Amino acid sequence: DQQVKQNSPSLSVQEGRISILNCDYTNSMFDYFLWYKKYPAEGPTFLISISSIKDKNEDGRFTVFLNKSAKHLSLHIVPSQPGDSAVYFCAAYVGYQKVTFGTGTKLQVIP
Amino acid sequence: DAGVIQSPRHEVTEMGQEVTLRCKPISGHNSLFWYRQTMMRGLELLIYFNNNVPIDDSGMPEDRFSAKMPNASFSTLKIQPSEPRDSAVYFCASSLQVYEQYFGPGTRLTVT
Repeated sequence: DQQVKQNSPSLSVQEGRISILNCDYTNSMFDYFLWYKKYPAEGPTFLISISSIKDKNEDGRFTVFLNKSAKHLSLHIVPSQPGDSAVYFCAAYVGYQKVTFGTGTKLQVIP
Repeated sequence: DAGVIQSPRHEVTEMGQEVTLRCKPISGHNSLFWYRQTMMRGLELLIYFNNNVPIDDSGMPEDRFSAKMPNASFSTLKIQPSEPRDSAVYFCASSLQVYEQYFGPGTRLTVT
C-alpha cells in the first residue's frame, strides 16, 4: 500500500520559471511532511518540511504547501535553476515513527 | 564530519551468493535506517535501529535479509542467498531527529 504517492515520474521546466512538484497521501494521521532532494550517485538530502498544523512553509526559493482536506502537498521552486535538476522525494511520518517515502519525481531544469 | 559511509559502492554478484553491505553512521546519531530504492517502489524502509536496537523490521522482504548493529558506529545488511530481484540501490541513513535523516551515497547491488 503506497501511502505517499508522487504520480508524475518526471517534470521539465525552463530556467527561471516555477517548478511545481506534487504529492498525495492517504494516511490522515501523518503529522509531518518532508521533501528530500537526490542527485545521481548520491544519497537523498533533506530539503524542507512542514507540520500538519501549517499550510505553508517557505525557505528561500523553496515553498511547500499543504492541503489537508485534499491530502495533497506541493513543492514550489521559484525561480528554477539548472542546479535544481534532481529527483525529489516526498515523505511523511506520524509521531516518531518511521518515515514513508514516495517514488520520486525527476526534475529537469532546462537552461 | 565524513557523513554516513557505506561500502562497497558497487557490488556485482551471482545468484545464490551471500552479499554483505556495510554502514558507518554519523558519530552521535542514535538512529540508523536501511532503505532500498527501486523504480517501482521508490525508497522503501527495510529496517531501522534506535540506540543499536532494531525497532521495526517489517520492511525486510523475507528471511533472506538480515541486519545487525553490533555497536553505535557500525551496521550490516546481509542477503543470503541473493536473487536477481534484489538488484537495487541500498541506502543507509542516520539521524538524531527521525525526519532529518542523513543518507550515505548508497550501494548499487547487481545480482546476475
